[in-house]
Amino acid sequence: EPEVTQTPSHQVTQMGQEVILRCVPISNHLYFYWYRQILGQKVEFLVSFYNNEISEKSEIFDDQFSVERPDGSNFTLKIRSTKLEDSAMYFCASKDSPQWDTQYFGPGTRLTVL
Amino acid sequence: GNSVTQMEGPVTLSEEAFLTINCTYTATGYPSLFWYVQYPGEGLQLLLKATKADDKGSNKGFEATYRKETTSFHLEKGSVQVSDSAVYFCALRSGAGSYQLTFGKGTKLSVIP
Repeated sequence: EPEVTQTPSHQVTQMGQEVILRCVPISNHLYFYWYRQILGQKVEFLVSFYNNEISEKSEIFDDQFSVERPDGSNFTLKIRSTKLEDSAMYFCASKDSPQWDTQYFGPGTRLTVL
Repeated sequence: GNSVTQMEGPVTLSEEAFLTINCTYTATGYPSLFWYVQYPGEGLQLLLKATKADDKGSNKGFEATYRKETTSFHLEKGSVQVSDSAVYFCALRSGAGSYQLTFGKGTKLSVIP
């Protein structure tokens, strides 16, 4: 069964450094999402992406964050200058059509900012 | 705004026990409701969903009914197995032209033999 993959599974970085989290969505999917879960808190929506542009974003997704689909398979989340409070599990998800409600999630990348 | 509240865990049950995980929501309009499950080391997987009031979603022996009058979507299973041990997330999509999901905190279930 096709699945969403994410790399790396765990990323450790120093405060102020840039990180790029990578996702490979399911191949025929067109809608892409990032969510995050800070330890002990809710899974929170960050951004959705369709047709090479952001379609929705939350208040969390400020100028420090950006997303990109650099080629036909990858979907990336970049954090320009990491803060301690960016430490969280980041989940990528994808969906194939606007009518179909199911988002397929990857296993997540645990980001630790020191 | 939209929000989901689900019962705090962890929940520990013996095999074959009855499971209920409570979930209530606040939303504008007519949301779609979901239960996702996360097994250790894996991503969130859709377990079941309901898109309108009184709909019942079901999968793998789990059920949840969309109750508009009580704004609830409680997850139930009549007889849990060790393999059901996972974290369960209740979520909603507001449906007002938005596809973002709003999640609860998750409930960790451990089933012991």
